[in-house]
Amino acid sequence: EVQLVQSGGGLVQPGGSLRLSCAASGFTFSSFAMSWVRQAPGKGLEWVSSISGSGGTTYYADSVKGRFTISRDNSKNTMYLQMNSLRAEDTALFYCTKDLDFRHFDWGQGTLVTVSS
Amino acid sequence: DIVMTQSPDSLAVSLGERATINCKSSQSVLHSSNNKNYLAWYQQKSGQPPKLLIYWASTRESGVPDRFSASGSGTDFTLTISSLQAEDVAVYYCQQYYSTPLNFGGGTKVEIK
Repeated sequence: EVQLVQSGGGLVQPGGSLRLSCAASGFTFSSFAMSWVRQAPGKGLEWVSSISGSGGTTYYADSVKGRFTISRDNSKNTMYLQMNSLRAEDTALFYCTKDLDFRHFDWGQGTLVTVSS
Repeated sequence: DIVMTQSPDSLAVSLGERATINCKSSQSVLHSSNNKNYLAWYQQKSGQPPKLLIYWASTRESGVPDRFSASGSGTDFTLTISSLQAEDVAVYYCQQYYSTPLNFGGGTKVEIK
């Protein structure tokens, strides 16, 4: 059974940093691309970033480019999202996903990031 | 960037009746190399993460009831729930995965009339 266990969310001040983690199990982690998708309170879904199975290729939404960094440690079956220079508009529930051809087949439970002073 | 536009924003349908959701992309998501439409549909129930329902515009994900069907090609797509059940109350999103950014539509909320 695929499991994506997320951690690392919380309350942070504007301009601050936070690192999200997504621990995967139940599949060969290095064989699958992974993504982060976020959802602001009461709003729709927004794709944030994706990373290839090897970690060698990354993609970002313009809204986070230069501030967020996606990475993965295939030896630990874990993906990360380092978020710097956080803004109020980054407040959202962040989901990690397991992908195939950029389709988001499996989703984590979500972790809430709140950016507020 | 490919912009995804869904309609309607919400709809209320009686139990057992048909629900139809539309999704339009600003550019074609049909890839000429494999003749596949890079279009997916997701269902999000209240308080839950989204769930992949349909991919390649019309292929149901394993375990998805056959009352869910989808069609379309190029820039115009439709998701149909043939006989609405109470458990189908949710927000439905289309997403193109033809190119980054992997934009979603704004969502369509389906309720019981």
